[in-house]
Amino acid sequence: KNQVEQSPQSLIILEGKNCTLQCNYTVSPFSNLRWYKQDTGRGPVSLTIMTFSENTKSNGRYTATLDADTKQSSLHITASQLSDSASYICVVSARITGNQFYFGTGTSLTVIP
Amino acid sequence: DGGITQSPKYLFRKEGQNVTLSCEQNLNHDAMYWYRQDPGQGLRLIYYSQIVNDFQKGDIAEGYSVSREKKESFPLTVTSAQKNPTAFYLCASIRSLGGNTIYFGEGSWLTVV
Repeated sequence: KNQVEQSPQSLIILEGKNCTLQCNYTVSPFSNLRWYKQDTGRGPVSLTIMTFSENTKSNGRYTATLDADTKQSSLHITASQLSDSASYICVVSARITGNQFYFGTGTSLTVIP
Repeated sequence: DGGITQSPKYLFRKEGQNVTLSCEQNLNHDAMYWYRQDPGQGLRLIYYSQIVNDFQKGDIAEGYSVSREKKESFPLTVTSAQKNPTAFYLCASIRSLGGNTIYFGEGSWLTVV
């Protein structure tokens, strides 16, 4: 069964600190993995997208890693800011026709001053 | 600017009434999707369309209907048959199968009163 699991479910950190969010998946055949940021009541916004051959991709203070062998990904946030408070969603695509997107339930991150 | 526009942002519906959520994109994307998001759950696929005049049921299509008469438009009707319609609805599009980035609208909040 194709699934995407994220951990932790929620996280609270102090402003300026770093944090790492995890995404484990069983989607097959794997096509790519995306991380999205979703502010409350808004649509998700793309942070990174990684294909099978990519191990690391950065977008400013966000760095995503992918281990296609263990089917794990992480999103590392450096020097967190209050505006980083949001839900972070891992989305894995399967290389099939039709519906190919599998969504994690997200990690709710709260950055406090 | 190109993007996806959902309307209305907030909608209240009485039990037994049908309601239609609008989704318009000017990205010239072929594929469009409707998702439902409930607290603590990942996005669940309602319907998707890969080309004009064609659409497919997702995982939770019961009580919903869609149409795709134009490439840029993919409205979702929540019918009275949907037993628990109160939720946050997200429309998304992607250029084509194999396209890299999923673009999301800002979402529509539907509350049944």
